[in-house]
Amino acid sequence: QQPVQSPQAVILREGEDAVINCSSSKALYSVHWYRQKHGEAPVFLMILLKGGEQKGHDKISASFNEKKQQSSLYLTASQLSYSGTYFCGTEKGDSGGSNYKLTFGKGTLLTVNP
Amino acid sequence: DTGVSQDPRHKITKRGQNVTFRCDPISEHNRLYWYRQTLGQGPEFLTYFQNEAQLEKSRLLSDRFSAERPKGSFSTLEIQRTEQGDSAMYLCASSEQGAFDYTFGSGTRLTVV
Repeated sequence: QQPVQSPQAVILREGEDAVINCSSSKALYSVHWYRQKHGEAPVFLMILLKGGEQKGHDKISASFNEKKQQSSLYLTASQLSYSGTYFCGTEKGDSGGSNYKLTFGKGTLLTVNP
Repeated sequence: DTGVSQDPRHKITKRGQNVTFRCDPISEHNRLYWYRQTLGQGPEFLTYFQNEAQLEKSRLLSDRFSAERPKGSFSTLEIQRTEQGDSAMYLCASSEQGAFDYTFGSGTRLTVV
């Protein structure tokens, strides 16, 4: 079942913060975050495994609430290079962490303006 | 390492024709995936190979679709008797077994007219 991402789109000025959410109605084993710029391949950002850990990557971090089956991606002090579409990809809880089949949300379009 | 390569980048075909796409993964990656992406949507899983073995095929794939990965290196995705609904970006990705991250290729954009 496809995870639901919110918001669908967000516009920021450089230096502002944003949060992108990803929710699933099914138990999850992991949540993966990717960023895709227009006309380019999706690029891996980070993975969150069940256990509620939080991870960071430069000024981008994420959390995973296993009880709520929700993940949030936090972008702080946004840069122009952060612009793109952000996708969460989820792996079912009964997959055993095989990590071969992700179900992606519809994406969140982030635009960072000067 | 040049990443994941896909060929062609764009393909326009008439309805009813057959098309074949090629994907060259990162050489040390033994896992290879095909996904399909339509406008405004995230990638949808199509199929997965571990080495040369095709281990899962999505129910999204009709009998008109076939994928191969001979010798566990490059992979091909063939669509027979194309339909307008097949128009999409076809993405290939690869990963090492046990690794969490995929490396995606830039995709093949198929337009069926």
